[in-house]
Amino acid sequence: DGGITQSPKYLFRKEGQNVTLSCEQNLNHDAMYWYRQDPGQGLRLIYYSQIVNDFQKGDIAEGYSVSREKKESFPLTVTSAQKNPTAFYLCASSLADSYNEQFFGPGTRLTVL
Amino acid sequence: QKEVEQDPGPLSVPEGAIVSLNCTYSNSAFQYFMWYRQYSRKGPELLMYTYSSGNKEDGRFTAQVDKSSKYISLFIRDSQPSDSATYLCAMGPGNTGKLIFGQGTTLQVKP
Repeated sequence: DGGITQSPKYLFRKEGQNVTLSCEQNLNHDAMYWYRQDPGQGLRLIYYSQIVNDFQKGDIAEGYSVSREKKESFPLTVTSAQKNPTAFYLCASSLADSYNEQFFGPGTRLTVL
Repeated sequence: QKEVEQDPGPLSVPEGAIVSLNCTYSNSAFQYFMWYRQYSRKGPELLMYTYSSGNKEDGRFTAQVDKSSKYISLFIRDSQPSDSATYLCAMGPGNTGKLIFGQGTTLQVKP
């Protein structure tokens, strides 16, 4: 089955620790994205990558880092510098000729204790 | 003022009703408009994808864009309990992938 997988589904972290969220896609999509969703708010773009080995900051990149070493994978690291990391994190992907037509993974719920 | 405004609801309707979900926006450069459906604790699912003004129909769903009024709508005909979810509008100025999302409207369809 083609799709986007995110792991883990739930993640708990102590304050001061870095944590990495996984995102893998087998849709052969060129671009990948990370969003954050908070209760009562829409999705906000953290980082995006349109091609391997290249990525750009979104609207709320502070306290996060990414890498794009393979087309299929776009891991997100939530660093200890992120002041309010508890949220629902969503990964998405799209084809290059239709960047706006994005397909989402199931999400990872991160809770900082 | 937010770039995209969406009434959070919740909106509760009886089964079989016609549902109208709406978003307004302020950026006249937006040309691409999407509607997503998100079930509780799941990732959003793309429902409708439209470019510029006009209508697009897909089964029980119709997306409408009025760029002159900066207003988009999603109509759901013959609503079903399985339509109960949060509906998110999203939009962008060009084929960049940098989308702006509304906060979502929670819909409940009662049997």
